[in-house]
Amino acid sequence: EADIYQTPRYLVIGTGKKITLECSQTMGHDKMYWYQQDPGMELHLIHYSYGVNSTEKGDLSSESTVSRIRTEHFPLTLESARPSHTSQYLCASTGQGANEQYFGPGTRLTVT
Amino acid sequence: KNQVEQSPQSLIILEGKNCTLQCNYTVSPFSNLRWYKQDTGRGPVSLTIMTFSENTKSNGRYTATLDADTKQSSLHITASQLSDSASYICVVKDRGSTLGRLYFGRGTQLTVWP
Repeated sequence: EADIYQTPRYLVIGTGKKITLECSQTMGHDKMYWYQQDPGMELHLIHYSYGVNSTEKGDLSSESTVSRIRTEHFPLTLESARPSHTSQYLCASTGQGANEQYFGPGTRLTVT
Repeated sequence: KNQVEQSPQSLIILEGKNCTLQCNYTVSPFSNLRWYKQDTGRGPVSLTIMTFSENTKSNGRYTATLDADTKQSSLHITASQLSDSASYICVVKDRGSTLGRLYFGRGTQLTVWP
């Protein structure tokens, strides 16, 4: 079983609030990813990181930002949440040269 | 355009029956193809990974096949159980990027009835 964790698992928040979704992994993986998934739809890559101090935007435009100060942590921040940000956010990681991408349990975000 | 298409979109079967899920892809250059199981409200969990040279791989009651020439894959589930109810996602890895970009299908929602 993968050692990748996300908190909170569920979050309901009002419009305009700042939120941070936490993701951590204890496998020492260099590459980490954030995906956004709406019900019945495919996962879309919104951010990724090759390692510490490396962050890039993914395929899907997102108003969120990420940081990678430590190998094991890859938090995602929304400065001002809006109803359009309502979605499931999945964090994943991959080891150097590995094929397997391990996913966290996800954060279900609802912005009212 | 790199795409992954899955069929059927949803499927209902009775417990104990077998089923087969389909995946067609256009991702090129191809690196590998994975099948993931995603329970409602959870992250995807890997079932199988197949490279270009592999045409079948099993994981318990799950058997995946790959035809790299026609760019098709299938996932066969044998003797289904209630716990098999989930979304099954086909994912193809692009060999052409250092990121190892993944392309996701929308999944097949499988429901197993008692």
